[in-house]
Amino acid sequence: GAVVSQHPSWVICKSGTSVKIECRSLDFQATTMFWYRQFPKQSLMLMATSNEGSKATYEQGVEKDKFLINHASLTLSTLTVTSAHPEDSSFYICSATSRRTFYEQYFGPGTRLTVT
Amino acid sequence: QQQVKQSPQSLIVQKGGISIINCAYENTAFDYFPWYQQFPGKGPALLIAIRPDVSEKKEGRFTISFNKSAKQFSLHIMDSQPGDSATYFCAASIRGSARQLTFGSGTQLTVLP
Repeated sequence: GAVVSQHPSWVICKSGTSVKIECRSLDFQATTMFWYRQFPKQSLMLMATSNEGSKATYEQGVEKDKFLINHASLTLSTLTVTSAHPEDSSFYICSATSRRTFYEQYFGPGTRLTVT
Repeated sequence: QQQVKQSPQSLIVQKGGISIINCAYENTAFDYFPWYQQFPGKGPALLIAIRPDVSEKKEGRFTISFNKSAKQFSLHIMDSQPGDSATYFCAASIRGSARQLTFGSGTQLTVLP
């Protein structure tokens, strides 16, 4: 149980275009979903926290107009990288907390974004 | 005060040996301490977690030792195997913070065959 999926697993896009990444909790309802960014050989950096039906809370330094987060339901959150630039190339990972086990955060497999 | 400091940055262990990774924190409001294992190109996977009301938790070959007074906790991997080669992250979270995780910097473990 507690499976989180992400789609796509990798994406290449041209500079200036927008990319949408989906995060789904497959077998549980997620209390909260989180979006992280990870650079090679570095730790995870929290970008934003989102609850179903409410606006996401962004971490300091994260541009909310560039990284649009929509938490449409208890099982789906999306991250849209708008007007992507090469510096946005990174590994994006989502996670979710279960209503059943509030403490534990379950992570998706990640999405590799490359902006050319 | 929100930091979790992790060491060592990298660790090389022989097969069958014990791998030990340490973490320290300052914020006494942290009340949940998980460890995550991450393979290259994959998302982190929850390995084992502990609450501060216990000093040790063991699951198979993985043990967390927790020292509340020293504000330190560690992961011990017994009988380390080449398949354990991965990056390990300690983390901590606070009740009432939507359970946001504060991650350590990570330890790249290599287990030699």
